[in-house]
Amino acid sequence: KAGVTQTPRYLIKTRGQQVTLSCSPISGHRSVSWYQQTPGQGLQFLFEYFSETQRNKGNFPGRFSGRQFSNSRSEMNVSTLELGDSALYLCASSKTGGGTASYNEQFFGPGTRLTVL
Amino acid sequence: GENVEQHPSTLSVQEGDSAVIKCTYSDSASNYFPWYKQELGKGPQLIIDIRSNVGEKKDQRIAVTLNKTAKHFSLHITETQPEDSAVYFCAASYLDAGGTSYGKLTFGQGTILTVHP
Repeated sequence: KAGVTQTPRYLIKTRGQQVTLSCSPISGHRSVSWYQQTPGQGLQFLFEYFSETQRNKGNFPGRFSGRQFSNSRSEMNVSTLELGDSALYLCASSKTGGGTASYNEQFFGPGTRLTVL
Repeated sequence: GENVEQHPSTLSVQEGDSAVIKCTYSDSASNYFPWYKQELGKGPQLIIDIRSNVGEKKDQRIAVTLNKTAKHFSLHITETQPEDSAVYFCAASYLDAGGTSYGKLTFGQGTILTVHP
């Protein structure tokens, strides 16, 4: 079956702009998590959505926001971009909920490479 | 919050040798420990995971061990092959009584493994 898809794959923006990234989870997966990956900070959790509700949130400023639609697709938005927001943004989906650890296995997409100039 | 330390940051081995990567975690509530492999241009891919009620788990050439008392866990790769070359990440998470993780994985800084033919 198709994996997690993220669009666009590459994005270049300038400081002060805003950006929206999209993630389509694996069919049947209801949980979508977002991570930021940078050489300095590594992989950091942004937030997780399940059934259109944010269930968990990392330690990022309010400029980072997200949402999830009824078909489980998710978007994240970054407003007032800063140079430090340049990163690979990864989306992961999982079945989530109950029972075995396999329900919590997160399947990652290829990421969106955001460059802020 | 949870903090995961991973060592070494780089590891170079000859084909056929074994490779060991070690991680320590800080939050005793963490009870789910996945390992991910990330190849260039791709998102992380789960290679093995372990829950805290198990001390060791094997899958062909890959094994993970967990010491809850010392709060550390390790990845062992035997008979390494050039295609094992990648960045490996350990992670820690908490699964509630129902087995739900709410998405958040705390990652180590990663280990660049190079297997020389």
